[in-house]
Amino acid sequence: QLMLTQSPSASASLGGSVKLTCTLSGGHSSYAIAWHQQQPEKGPRYLMKVYSDGSHTKGDGIPDRFSASSSGAARYLIISSLKFEDEADYYCQAWGTGMHTFGGGTKVTVL
Amino acid sequence: QVQLVESGGGLVKPGGSLRLSCAASGFTFSDYYMTWIRQAPGKGLEWLSYISNSGDSKYYADSVKGRFTISRDNAKNSLYLQMNSLRADDTAIYYCARDRLMWDAFDVWGQGTMVTVSS
Repeated sequence: QLMLTQSPSASASLGGSVKLTCTLSGGHSSYAIAWHQQQPEKGPRYLMKVYSDGSHTKGDGIPDRFSASSSGAARYLIISSLKFEDEADYYCQAWGTGMHTFGGGTKVTVL
Repeated sequence: QVQLVESGGGLVKPGGSLRLSCAASGFTFSDYYMTWIRQAPGKGLEWLSYISNSGDSKYYADSVKGRFTISRDNAKNSLYLQMNSLRADDTAIYYCARDRLMWDAFDVWGQGTMVTVSS
């Protein structure tokens, strides 16, 4: 069964960087995933699609501070030059035969 | 610009029904697969249902299968979610979203509509 695992929280200093991890369940390490950002009291926003080779396709207007990489079953979202506006929940999304699924989300705190 | 706007949320009693709508604009609606996702208070995102661009193929999460029905009207650029036999645990913000290609990332999201199931 396709499942995604995310750490519940992460934090980093203003101007620093943070690396979020989304891990695909066994047998699905070749799958692409998508990252979404949800700022407080707002709907989610698509950030990018990340492939198993680490290449990624960003949504419109997503700054260069947001990038991604992959290693095995792990898909990473890297946010650099952190701003207070990056304080949000980040969800990964994957899709399989007849279904979609989300990770539990990671809450990012900017210190 | 590309936009999705949900409507139809509100307060409903357990066992009741509600129909949500999602109005699309700024893109050729009939070209895209569409989906419904919800978020219970303080919780994460839960995928609910998915429909092909023609409306011929529909998919549901186990949590709503048999109670919720997804549909679309391409002439009206609208997506719908008919929700029956509502329960307290259906209380959530409901979002519609566009699939980027076909079985791919959700690249456009609406702002959501709140559904509260309570007596």
